[in-house]
Amino acid sequence: KNQVEQSPQSLIILEGKNCTLQCNYTVSPFSNLRWYKQDTGRGPVSLTIMTFSENTKSNGRYTATLDADTKQSSLHITASQLSDSASYICVVTSNAGNNRKLIWGLGTSLAVNP
Amino acid sequence: DAGITQSPRHKVTETGTPVTLRCHQTENHRYMYWYRQDPGHGLRLIHYSYGVKDTDKGEVSDGYSVSRSKTEDFLLTLESATSSQTSVYFCATSLGSMDTQYFGPGTRLTVL
Repeated sequence: KNQVEQSPQSLIILEGKNCTLQCNYTVSPFSNLRWYKQDTGRGPVSLTIMTFSENTKSNGRYTATLDADTKQSSLHITASQLSDSASYICVVTSNAGNNRKLIWGLGTSLAVNP
Repeated sequence: DAGITQSPRHKVTETGTPVTLRCHQTENHRYMYWYRQDPGHGLRLIHYSYGVKDTDKGEVSDGYSVSRSKTEDFLLTLESATSSQTSVYFCATSLGSMDTQYFGPGTRLTVL
């Protein structure tokens, strides 16, 4: 069964600190993996997309890693800001011929406190 | 937000009444999607469209229908709303099927 599991479920950190969010998946065949940020009361916004051959990709203070062998991804946030408080969702795309499917994780809720 | 608006943003209705949610985009994206988001579940695809008058079912399509008569508009209809359809509904668009999806602000629907 295709699944995406994220950990931790929630996280509280102090402003300025770093944190790492985890995503484990059992999706086959794998096409790509995206991280989305969803602010409270708003729609998700894409942060990064990674394909099978990519190990690391950065977007400002956000750095995503992908280990396709172990089927794990992480999102590292550097020097957190209050505006980083949001839910971070991992999404894996499975693409088998004409059957394309997105498998969404439940997200990690991050709170950055002053 | 890739120029995506949803209306209404909030709606409270009663069981058994019809409800139509509207998604409007100004990006000329070919693909449009309707999702619902509920606690304990990831985003779940209801229906999607790959062109004008071209639609297909997602994983939770029962009780929902869609229509797309223009590139910019994608309507989601609940023919007879039930309490289990209380949710936050998101519209999304993408240029191609494998491209990044851009989401609207969402519609919070409560069915009493």
